[in-house]
Amino acid sequence: QKEVEQNSGPLSVPEGAIASLNCTYSDRVSQSFFWYRQYSGKSPELIMSIYSNGDKEDGRFTAQLNKASQYVSLLIRDSQPSDSATYLCAVNEAGRRALTFGSGTRLQVQP
Amino acid sequence: DVKVTQSSRYLVKRTGEKVFLECVQDMDHENMFWYRQDPGLGLRLIYFSYDVKMKEKGDIPEGYSVSREKKERFSLILESASTNQTSMYLCASRRQGTNYGYTFGSGTRLTVV
Repeated sequence: QKEVEQNSGPLSVPEGAIASLNCTYSDRVSQSFFWYRQYSGKSPELIMSIYSNGDKEDGRFTAQLNKASQYVSLLIRDSQPSDSATYLCAVNEAGRRALTFGSGTRLQVQP
Repeated sequence: DVKVTQSSRYLVKRTGEKVFLECVQDMDHENMFWYRQDPGLGLRLIYFSYDVKMKEKGDIPEGYSVSREKKERFSLILESASTNQTSMYLCASRRQGTNYGYTFGSGTRLTVV
């Protein structure tokens, strides 16, 4: 059973809209959560990290964490065509040195 | 900024060759990782290292080995390359502690013919 789940997409949104990307995880005691952006043919790039319940904002990006429901989400406001990429959710499960990655959600922002 | 450098961006090797993929990081991170990424399969952990000369198997170690003789360098070795090892290989490093994410290298696209 996959430990970190993401909808593979593609998620298609018009330019200027809010894109909402979701991720659920199975390990209740997971401690930290990360969102990576990966453009086609490139390596993943860390864009957000979150450790506590609630929202964390950085520019157009907001990460949301709900540990009771075991989900983490990423909101992208005012989506731009340059945001078109695959977004990977990663979880630091307790006692593990390696992050556990979801399979990613492909986002397409239509001009 | 942490920099993770992978020695080759593209590599073509023949079946049966021994292949070395090199990764160097410049910020004294304790942990280093090797992944492969294939369409539809996501990121799969091959091996990781949490200290010099220390290594642990990931989810798909078969056909691979690793070496970490110095803290900044982590090498992935394909003992006898096969066509099913054609893939994008990603190296990452991470500071010790749960609140740190990975920094990835730019990747090596390996083709085995």
